[in-house]
Amino acid sequence: GNSVTQMEGPVTLSEEAFLTINCTYTATGYPSLFWYVQYPGEGLQLLLKATKADDKGSNKGFEATYRKETTSFHLEKGSVQVSDSAVYFCALSVTGTYKYIFGTGTRLKVLA
Amino acid sequence: SQTIHQWPATLVQPVGSPLSLECTVEGTSNPNLYWYRQAAGRGLQLLFYSVGIGQISSEVPQNLSASRPQDRQFILSSKKLLLSDSGFYLCAWSVGGISNQPQHFGDGTRLSIL
Repeated sequence: GNSVTQMEGPVTLSEEAFLTINCTYTATGYPSLFWYVQYPGEGLQLLLKATKADDKGSNKGFEATYRKETTSFHLEKGSVQVSDSAVYFCALSVTGTYKYIFGTGTRLKVLA
Repeated sequence: SQTIHQWPATLVQPVGSPLSLECTVEGTSNPNLYWYRQAAGRGLQLLFYSVGIGQISSEVPQNLSASRPQDRQFILSSKKLLLSDSGFYLCAWSVGGISNQPQHFGDGTRLSIL
């Protein structure tokens, strides 16, 4: 089957620290992988995506690489800011369908 | 550019009352449309999705229903709300006819049942 597993949160970091949020997946076929960010009281915003193995998605200083050999898509940022505090969701598209599977989300808190 | 509108932003309803949440998309044709529910502090549960007018797929048996009366309009309804229907409801769209495309979400409706 298809599934997405994210690390449990909350993740609490000081400003300018390095961020890693782990995401692993199981999937049939060739899914695309996504990271979304959700700020309090808002919907999800697409942060970055990768459509095939070894692709690197990047946006606003965040990066994630589609690793087929380890079935992972870890989110990284070199220096976090207080404004990065939010919930981050890893997701995949289910091959051959129009459906998506989301992880449970990881809350990030960045302290000044 | 494409935009998605969802309303109302917040709603407080008594148990047993009806529900209608509306979602519209602009700037694209024949999108795939989705309704999700997000319980407090938890992930997203897919409720319904639609690949065309009048075509609705239900993912979870429940007290809710969905309709797509027009190409870019998606409505979530209930005849009688339950306490367990409380949550944050999100509408989303993706490019129609193509899989593996990202989804784009509305701002959500926070529904509280009293």
